[in-house]
Amino acid sequence: EADIYQTPRYLVIGTGKKITLECSQTMGHDKMYWYQQDPGMELHLIHYSYGVNSTEKGDLSSESTVSRIRTEHFPLTLESARPSHTSQYLCASSEWGREVDTQYFGPGTRLTVL
Amino acid sequence: EDQVTQSPEALRLQEGESSSLNCSYTVSGLRGLFWYRQDPGKGPEFLFTLYSAGEEKEKERLKATLTKKESFLHITAPKPEDSATYLCAVQGVSGTYKYIFGTGTRLKVLA
Repeated sequence: EADIYQTPRYLVIGTGKKITLECSQTMGHDKMYWYQQDPGMELHLIHYSYGVNSTEKGDLSSESTVSRIRTEHFPLTLESARPSHTSQYLCASSEWGREVDTQYFGPGTRLTVL
Repeated sequence: EDQVTQSPEALRLQEGESSSLNCSYTVSGLRGLFWYRQDPGKGPEFLFTLYSAGEEKEKERLKATLTKKESFLHITAPKPEDSATYLCAVQGVSGTYKYIFGTGTRLKVLA
């Protein structure tokens, strides 16, 4: 059973506001990921981390930033939210060193920017 | 280029009517193929990992199989609670740990 948490679950905010989406996991996984998913569309990787102080941009260009100061915590920040940022944001983690990485997902944050 | 294609896009079944979902993939060396279930407004829930052609895995009414080009998710005697979007993803041996996801199959099981 995966123990990965995201807060808030839903967020409605005005244009120009700074927001931070929280993601935490209690499994001790080294790798963590942020995906963006629009309705009926595939998941797009926007950020990933292989461990503390390691972050990389994903395949989908994003104006968000991430940090990884603690193994269990991988927050995503938008400095100035815009309507184009409206989407579902999914956090995932996976275990290092196995034959293959199985990713476990959090419940997601539904962001609406007005 | 690594690619995953799922079919059909949507499927409606009567309760008890068995069927299969398809995931075709192109990847330069397969490390693993993954099946997830996603309910509306929620994160994907892990179902199976398949590593090599010929492998099969089962969980309740679901059975996943893998060939060198595609994977099938067989649903036997489905129930309404099996209604969800089923996602397929692959991970290649390219040296990164990124997944390539398909767009999913939306399954609706009618009582």
